[in-house]
Amino acid sequence: AQSVTQLGSHVSVSEGALVLLRCNYSSSVPPYLFWYVQYPNQGLQLLLKYTTGATLVKGINGFEAEFKKSETSFHLTKPSAHMSDAAEYFCAVRLTGANSKLTFGKGITLSVRP
Amino acid sequence: SQTIHQWPATLVQPVGSPLSLECTVEGTSNPNLYWYRQAAGRGLQLLFYSVGIGQISSEVPQNLSASRPQDRQFILSSKKLLLSDSGFYLCAWDAGNTIYFGEGSWLTVV
Repeated sequence: AQSVTQLGSHVSVSEGALVLLRCNYSSSVPPYLFWYVQYPNQGLQLLLKYTTGATLVKGINGFEAEFKKSETSFHLTKPSAHMSDAAEYFCAVRLTGANSKLTFGKGITLSVRP
Repeated sequence: SQTIHQWPATLVQPVGSPLSLECTVEGTSNPNLYWYRQAAGRGLQLLFYSVGIGQISSEVPQNLSASRPQDRQFILSSKKLLLSDSGFYLCAWDAGNTIYFGEGSWLTVV
C-alpha cells in the first residue's frame, strides 16, 4: 500500500520569499504524484501532477515540483510567495493501475505574511 | 470539457435526520466516481467509490451509504445522521490518471 508524509502542519513565509512544501511517499512501484490546493471553504484544485516523463513539473500559479525517485520525494516550490497563495496544500500518491486509489497526505497550511 | 457539480453547498441538519448529497458529472461517460470526507484536523478520507451504475465499494464502515442510479450521478445518503457525520464532503471523478474534485458540501449536524 502507498502512503504520503507531509511533515508539519503549518508553514509561514513572507511575501516574496521562497515557498517549499515537503512531500515524501512510500510506494511499491513508481506512482503518480499530485499536489492539490484548497482555498478556504472550497474544493480541491489540481496544482500539478507527475505521471511519466520529465521529473520537474510545472503547475498553475507559478508552482513546480520535482519527482526524485532516489529520495522518494515530490516537494512543491514557488520562487516568490504571493498573499493569494495562502491555502492548504495536499500531496497525494496513486499507483498506476486501473481503478487505483488516491492516497493523501495530511495537508500543510501555508500562511503568507505581508 | 468535463465538469462536476455537487449540491447542496451547505447543509445544517439535526441529529437523526436523513441526508442526501448529490453529485453529477458532465462531459464524460462511465467515469469512476468517489466520495471523500474532510473532517476538521483529520485530512481527506475516502468513503465510497463507484466504477459503474449500481457498483459501490465502501472504504470505511459507517453511518453513510452511496448509490449510483445513473452513469454520471453519485449520491451520498444517510437514514439517521450522527454528530460525527459533520464535515466537508467532496465528490470526485477519475479522468484516467488524475482525479478532479467538486466544490464540496458543508454538512453540520446539530
